[in-house]
Amino acid sequence: DVKVTQSSRYLVKRTGEKVFLECVQDMDHENMFWYRQDPGLGLRLIYFSYDVKMKEKGDIPEGYSVSREKKERFSLILESASTNQTSMYLCASSFGGRGANVLTFGAGSRLTVL
Amino acid sequence: SQQGEEDPQALSIQEGENATMNCSYKTSINNLQWYRQNSGRGLVHLILIRSNEREKHSGRLRVTLDTSKKSSSLLITASRAADTASYFCATGSSGGYNKLIFGAGTRLAVHP
Repeated sequence: DVKVTQSSRYLVKRTGEKVFLECVQDMDHENMFWYRQDPGLGLRLIYFSYDVKMKEKGDIPEGYSVSREKKERFSLILESASTNQTSMYLCASSFGGRGANVLTFGAGSRLTVL
Repeated sequence: SQQGEEDPQALSIQEGENATMNCSYKTSINNLQWYRQNSGRGLVHLILIRSNEREKHSGRLRVTLDTSKKSSSLLITASRAADTASYFCATGSSGGYNKLIFGAGTRLAVHP
């Protein structure tokens, strides 16, 4: 019954490494989102995508990029990981359009950068 | 930018008691949603209230929205130990692609 799947629950990487976080949804949703969650700060939007190959910056895009080559898959890329990117990363998806849509979240990927 | 701010940051109650969490936001909204997160897991949607609604119920959950005060409250009645989780409000604005802006959350602990 899993609808949004994040490829890795826990990752440990070294400073400067390139990191890929993968997210796949099986609900045929148009919108997909990447958030990061830090204690006391809640969830902050990194990037979102409203269609294949389309992307929009969120509130904290610096140091991140994304890729959406297929409708069901949305990847978050850390080009050169830094220790301040140690965080919980949450992927979500929703139906498209400009109405009030509910997000379905994955279980999260906890990234530690040493 | 954080839109919603939950209050209190943490809440500890006994089973059977009611739990009330509040959310304040800054700009005009199209809808407000509440989500729940069990420790170390993803968020699960609980309830959505639109800007033209004042109150909504779902099981033991009651949500109110006061757009004049830019605030919302989530009431969980007859709390159970299984309600222990973090609760987040999220606001969606008119236009755009309905990206949601989340608050920092309220940590609820329900003791047996």
